[in-house]
Amino acid sequence: DIQMTQSPSSLSVSVGDRVTITCRASQSISYYLNWYQQKPGKAPNLLIYAASSLQSGVPSRFSGSGSGTDFTLTISSLQAEDFATYYCQQSYSTLTFGGGTKVEMK
Amino acid sequence: EVQLVESGGGLVKPGGSLRLSCAASGFTFSGYSMNWVRQAPGQGLEWVSSISTSSTYKYYADSVKGRFTISRDDAKNSLYLQMNSLRAEDTAVYFCARDSIGVGSDYWGQGTLVTVSS
Repeated sequence: DIQMTQSPSSLSVSVGDRVTITCRASQSISYYLNWYQQKPGKAPNLLIYAASSLQSGVPSRFSGSGSGTDFTLTISSLQAEDFATYYCQQSYSTLTFGGGTKVEMK
Repeated sequence: EVQLVESGGGLVKPGGSLRLSCAASGFTFSGYSMNWVRQAPGQGLEWVSSISTSSTYKYYADSVKGRFTISRDDAKNSLYLQMNSLRAEDTAVYFCARDSIGVGSDYWGQGTLVTVSS
């Protein structure tokens, strides 16, 4: 199984900050990497697919990059509604998720 | 509008069984692979099982292999998860999700809670 390691596990930030979350795969997964946002009590919401493609309806302040084993999710200017937990997921083989990054208010 | 609605969760004793259902609407269900993903209380997301179109391929996480069975009924636009020999560590919210090739899980249900406790 492919292991996904996310860092950091939590982040204290302010509105307007630039936020970067990283995800590392235990082996190369090409560009088969997706990012999700989850708010408490809700289902995850797809933000980025195929490492860098923005899902329809997702604000352009979200972006993704990377290929192979190292990937990044960036929020260019954090908004109040972006406080949430973010997960990476590889879809190169049977699915696995990273452990999550909780973005909290400073 | 794409909708996925899970049902069948509840309280069950260790060793018991439960069958989850996921009713799909708003898209051509038979044309998509489907996933079950769970989330234990206060924990992260864990992939449980996937089924391809026409039920050709079925995949399971090691943690549920041999105990859970995924199935689908395209005539009823429904996805199922039969869970047997349930353990306390199976306690979680179970989500069904549509899998779009190259896109990931683009639509999710609201989840159904399974609690395994004596």
